[in-house]
Amino acid sequence: GQQVMQIPQYQHVQEGEDFTTYCNSSTTLSNIQWYKQRPGGHPVFLIQLVKSGEVKKQKRLTFQFGEAKKNSSLHITATQTTDEGTSFCAGAGGRDDKIIFGKGTRLHILP
Amino acid sequence: DAGITQSPRHKVTETGTPVTLRCHQTENHRYMYWYRQDPGHGLRLIHYSYGVKDTDKGEVSDGYSVSRSKTEDFLLTLESATSSQTSVYFCAINPGTSYEQYFGPGTRLTVT
Repeated sequence: GQQVMQIPQYQHVQEGEDFTTYCNSSTTLSNIQWYKQRPGGHPVFLIQLVKSGEVKKQKRLTFQFGEAKKNSSLHITATQTTDEGTSFCAGAGGRDDKIIFGKGTRLHILP
Repeated sequence: DAGITQSPRHKVTETGTPVTLRCHQTENHRYMYWYRQDPGHGLRLIHYSYGVKDTDKGEVSDGYSVSRSKTEDFLLTLESATSSQTSVYFCAINPGTSYEQYFGPGTRLTVT
């Protein structure tokens, strides 16, 4: 069945460094969404990408959807302590277009 | 945040007892979902609903049942709770016009 893999599972970075998390699907996706979950909180929708090769920015966050619509990335420029938490991608695809969440990348910021 | 609440927020129960978790929305959205979140597993879909009395199974539906008698409420029932069902449960809603989901605050369930 459809699988959505996220790497890395965990990363710690020095505050101010950049960070990237990657999402890879076993099947072509119709769209991909990204969510952010702060420690102890609930997932919060950030953005949705639909078009092949699409790039969207939200302040220090850059989201990309691959040309083949099977992978995506989230890049954070100059991380801050508020970036701590887990980022999830969720892809819709397959015959029934169901949404499958990746297992998330947990980011820890070192002061 | 979307108008979505979950109750209770925390619950401790014993193995073998029935448990019902409630999700309530004020957005009149068509789609509602129940997920469980466990370390190392991310978010896994238990059941979802695409309208009143219309529900379907997700990837980890064994041991769970759901009901949706009103648009605003989606109930998740553990008929006989087991320790493997100790988890954080999230409800989510979706308007049906696009794919993004809006999550409730979660319920932390401990089965002893």
